Amino acid sequence: RKEVEQDPGPFNVPEGATVAFNCTYSNSASQSFFWYRQDCRKEPKLLMSVYSSGNEDGRFTAQLNRASQYISLLIRDSKLSDSATYLCVVNQGGQAGTALIFGKGTTLSVSS
Amino acid sequence: NAGVTQTPKFQVLKTGQSMTLQCAQDMNHEYMSWYRQDPGMGLRLIHYSVGAGITDQGEVPNGYNVSRSTTEDFPLRLLSAAPSQTSVYFCASSFDRRTEAFFGQGTRLTVV
Repeated sequence: RKEVEQDPGPFNVPEGATVAFNCTYSNSASQSFFWYRQDCRKEPKLLMSVYSSGNEDGRFTAQLNRASQYISLLIRDSKLSDSATYLCVVNQGGQAGTALIFGKGTTLSVSS
Repeated sequence: NAGVTQTPKFQVLKTGQSMTLQCAQDMNHEYMSWYRQDPGMGLRLIHYSVGAGITDQGEVPNGYNVSRSTTEDFPLRLLSAAPSQTSVYFCASSFDRRTEAFFGQGTRLTVV
């Protein structure tokens, strides 16, 4: 089983739509959770960290369910500029906890 | 502040050649990692380091060596290049396991 699994995508939505991405992870020892954004042929960049209490940053909301080992990202009022690949990221946990494990990513395409 | 700097940005190698991908960070981060990104595979961890003199293998270490003689530098060596090593390589660094990882701009390597 892959350590981090994401919705396969792609997601094609109109501007203004709400879209949700889901992610599951297999290592219960993982302690850090993130969503990264990657634009075509660019390096990944942090979108937001994910906390157990849930957190919101403008139009973006992230949730973590440790019991189910599940992470989600909700994007409201989608913009054309949100078109990118979204990567679910989890640290390995244990002694290797500094290394990040990436999901394969979900591609979002927002159209006008 | 340069952040994470990777060189070269592009490289073409012949099968059997060796080379070193350079990675340097100026943020005094202890943790550094190398990933490769292939279509449909996402980012996969090659090697990582939790500090100078300490390295460990990731998911796909075969054919690659690393060393960490200083906090700033974490070079990745391809011992004998193979076409299967054609990929985009990203170096990343972070302050600790709970904080954002910063990525270099990537090295696009083609092995012919």
